[in-house]
Amino acid sequence: KAGVTQTPRYLIKTRGQQVTLSCSPISGHRSVSWYQQTPGQGLQFLFEYFSETQRNKGNFPGRFSGRQFSNSRSEMNVSTLELGDSALYLCASSLGDVDRETQYFGPGTRLLVL
Amino acid sequence: LAKTTQPISMDSYEGQEVNITCSHNNIATNDYITWYQQFPSQGPRFIIQGYKTKVTNEVASLFIPADRKSSTLSLPRVSLSDTAVYYCLVSSRSARQLTFGSGTQLTVLP
Repeated sequence: KAGVTQTPRYLIKTRGQQVTLSCSPISGHRSVSWYQQTPGQGLQFLFEYFSETQRNKGNFPGRFSGRQFSNSRSEMNVSTLELGDSALYLCASSLGDVDRETQYFGPGTRLLVL
Repeated sequence: LAKTTQPISMDSYEGQEVNITCSHNNIATNDYITWYQQFPSQGPRFIIQGYKTKVTNEVASLFIPADRKSSTLSLPRVSLSDTAVYYCLVSSRSARQLTFGSGTQLTVLP
């Protein structure tokens, strides 16, 4: 099976702009989670989508939003970008409805905000 | 979510066995233990998962004592390419969000 894919891999934006990141999960996986990784804060959970509904949410401001499509692909949007949003954004997919399941991560999107 | 404590860094030499121990004193009955490996600018890669005793796969072994307050990831005969950050996570069966600590930076030397 193909792994989790994320596009684009690299992105440069300026403050105030918005950005949309895309994640395609492993075939058959219905849950997609998003994480932000920075040197200072480490890996932090943003939100999780399952069957097109947000099921869990981390402690991030409303500028961070997401959605999931019927084919389980997910997008994450960040509006009004700030310098501190520069990070590696990771998505992870899992089956979503079984116990003790494993999340599989994509390669990430490196976002640089200037 | 149970908090985990693991060494910040470890050094080893090629061909040696490496053991990374993780403490999770407040682990709950429903929690299980998962280890991930991460290379710079890449997503974490699942290594192994277990609930109790010993689990072994093609890349590592996971040892969990009876009280489950700690676990040890064992990497046999490491190579330079095993240089990475290793994360120990503890989560319940129903947990959907993973909580990553600081991880252990393993450096394998020639």
